[in-house]
Amino acid sequence: EAGVAQSPRYKIIEKRQSVAFWCNPISGHATLYWYQQILGQGPKLLIQFQNNGVVDDSQLPKDRFSAERLKGVDSTLKIQPAKLEDSAVYLCASSSLTFNYGYTFGSGTRLTVV
Amino acid sequence: AQRVTQPEKLLSVFKGAPVELKCNYSYSGSPELFWYVQYSRQRLQLLLRHISRESIKGFTADLNKGETSFHLKKPFAQEEDSAMYYCALSPRTDKLIFGTGTRLQVFP
Repeated sequence: EAGVAQSPRYKIIEKRQSVAFWCNPISGHATLYWYQQILGQGPKLLIQFQNNGVVDDSQLPKDRFSAERLKGVDSTLKIQPAKLEDSAVYLCASSSLTFNYGYTFGSGTRLTVV
Repeated sequence: AQRVTQPEKLLSVFKGAPVELKCNYSYSGSPELFWYVQYSRQRLQLLLRHISRESIKGFTADLNKGETSFHLKKPFAQEEDSAMYYCALSPRTDKLIFGTGTRLQVFP
């Protein structure tokens, strides 16, 4: 099966600019996750979708971060405006409804805010 | 609070030596615990989960509820085991809380 696709792989922006990341999950996977991994830390869940509905966004900084999954397939994560502390790898993962703890992760997008 | 602690940032061993990567957790209920691995230039991937009680690539991990630990062990390390290892806790069936990770270096 094809894996979780993410783009871009790398992005460098100046603080206060905006940026968007894209994720295409594995076909048929109903659940999609966005994780933030800051250097030296483990991944932290930002938001979880099931189909096109939000299940958990308790750790999403909603004043600057937004995410959508309009048709229950692809998802976009946006940061506006970016801060220096947003520099991180943004990981997308997906799983099927019959969750067996088998997350499939994408390669991630490395964001550097200067 | 739900937390996963991996006390070692770096663990260096020689090929053939035993390996133990430590993981302690804080959770009030019955935890589901996992080990994920990230090899150089590859994606984060599931290594093993405690409910399966399986051995993957020679690695095993036993859940010790008394000590709230889920240490990852391998009797004889191989150079290809060099990677970043993350312990993760699932407080519900579809969410993961990760530790900070331990980098394992296996020297020839």
